[in-house]
Amino acid sequence: ELKVEQNPLFLSMQEGKNYTIYCNYSTTSDRLYWYRQDPGKSLESLFVLLSNGAVKQEGRLMASLDTKARLSTLHITAAVHDLSATYFCAVEYGGATNKLIFGTGTLLAVQP
Amino acid sequence: DTEVTQTPKHLVMGMTNKKSLKCEQHMGHRAMYWYKQKAKKPPELMFVYSYEKLSINESVPSRFSPECPNSSLLNLHLHALQPEDSALYLCASSQDIFSSGGGTEAFFGQGTRLTVV
Repeated sequence: ELKVEQNPLFLSMQEGKNYTIYCNYSTTSDRLYWYRQDPGKSLESLFVLLSNGAVKQEGRLMASLDTKARLSTLHITAAVHDLSATYFCAVEYGGATNKLIFGTGTLLAVQP
Repeated sequence: DTEVTQTPKHLVMGMTNKKSLKCEQHMGHRAMYWYKQKAKKPPELMFVYSYEKLSINESVPSRFSPECPNSSLLNLHLHALQPEDSALYLCASSQDIFSSGGGTEAFFGQGTRLTVV
């Protein structure tokens, strides 16, 4: 059974600072997705990582995937308040019939 | 258009009621999903439909009954629910569920917030 863990679960950071969220998963997969969720809202797709070494950047967020280490990172550069949300990684799993298994989530609070 | 539309947005139902959640997408996606999300928890997969056929049932209780009338629509029929079934129910769609070069990026609807009283 695939387990997907994120670290930290809660992150309070100041505007302008940098930080990294980690996503570890327990079985082989080379496809990983990052989503953002605002309180009471749905999930917004941020990044699609489809191979080892994939790196994607959008604004202040950069995501990477190391399939050998079973690790993805979401790096935040010079955080702003608008980035406050819960971030989930999701790993594609199952072989021929794939499904997404979500990580535990990281609640990010960016303080002015 | 990357929109998945869910109705209703909010639903309050008694434990003896029968109700249905609806989901619609017009992206030509052939895979559709139901997820359940409790507060401060990640979404949990319930059902996966592929080409209008049920592909995955994650051991969901029979009081939840999915239906896929056509490739654009997905319903979740609810009957005799319990208060612990109160949650945000999310519908999603993706190109398909099979291993492919493009991956299976899922697009989510706004969800139905269900309260069982």
